[in-house]
Amino acid sequence: AQSVTQLGSHVSVSEGALVLLRCNYSSSVPPYLFWYVQYPNQGLQLLLKYTSAATLVKGINGFEAEFKKSETSFHLTKPSAHMRDAAEYFCAVSVRAGGTSYGKLTFGQGTILTVHP
Amino acid sequence: DSGVTQTPKHLITATGQRVTLRCSPRSGDLSVYWYQQSLDQGLQFLIQYYNGEERAKGNILERFSAQQFPDLHSELNLSSLELGDSALYFCASSVQEQETQYFGPGTRLLVL
Repeated sequence: AQSVTQLGSHVSVSEGALVLLRCNYSSSVPPYLFWYVQYPNQGLQLLLKYTSAATLVKGINGFEAEFKKSETSFHLTKPSAHMRDAAEYFCAVSVRAGGTSYGKLTFGQGTILTVHP
Repeated sequence: DSGVTQTPKHLITATGQRVTLRCSPRSGDLSVYWYQQSLDQGLQFLIQYYNGEERAKGNILERFSAQQFPDLHSELNLSSLELGDSALYFCASSVQEQETQYFGPGTRLLVL
């Protein structure tokens, strides 16, 4: 079974500062990893995904994440925060083909990002 | 706009009642997933269908059921509703299993 832990339920940064949202995963088989963003009263939007190609993955809105197998981590970063980045961010894991989960996503508890002017 | 549509957007009902949530996947997507988002449980996988066939079940209560129709839209039926069923219910779709899932805007259910 797979699981995801997001360290820090709330992260607060100043506009222009580095954004770092932490995600650690557990999976008995090689994983697919995802970051989704949820703006207030909206659905989940895919930011980026890791599917075993390059370990540094670039996504939309200037976000990127690095897959580190040795640390079982997939932290999300953005060099310079904007006010519009304020939202809740979810890390998720699914297993690759061959498992029995058929692609279901297991989500972390979410991290609310606040950006101060 | 992800291309996944869900109706209704909001639903208010009473305990003991039954409701049906509807999801239309993106054009061409064969796989549909249902998730529940609540304050205490977070985002949890409920059930998945692929081309009309049930493929995987998660933490779905026996009072809940779902199906995927020949036109690939899906319905989630919630019966004997309890206060604790109040949540956001998301539908997601993907072209094939294991592919990226695209989420609908959700249905917010309030059970009074």
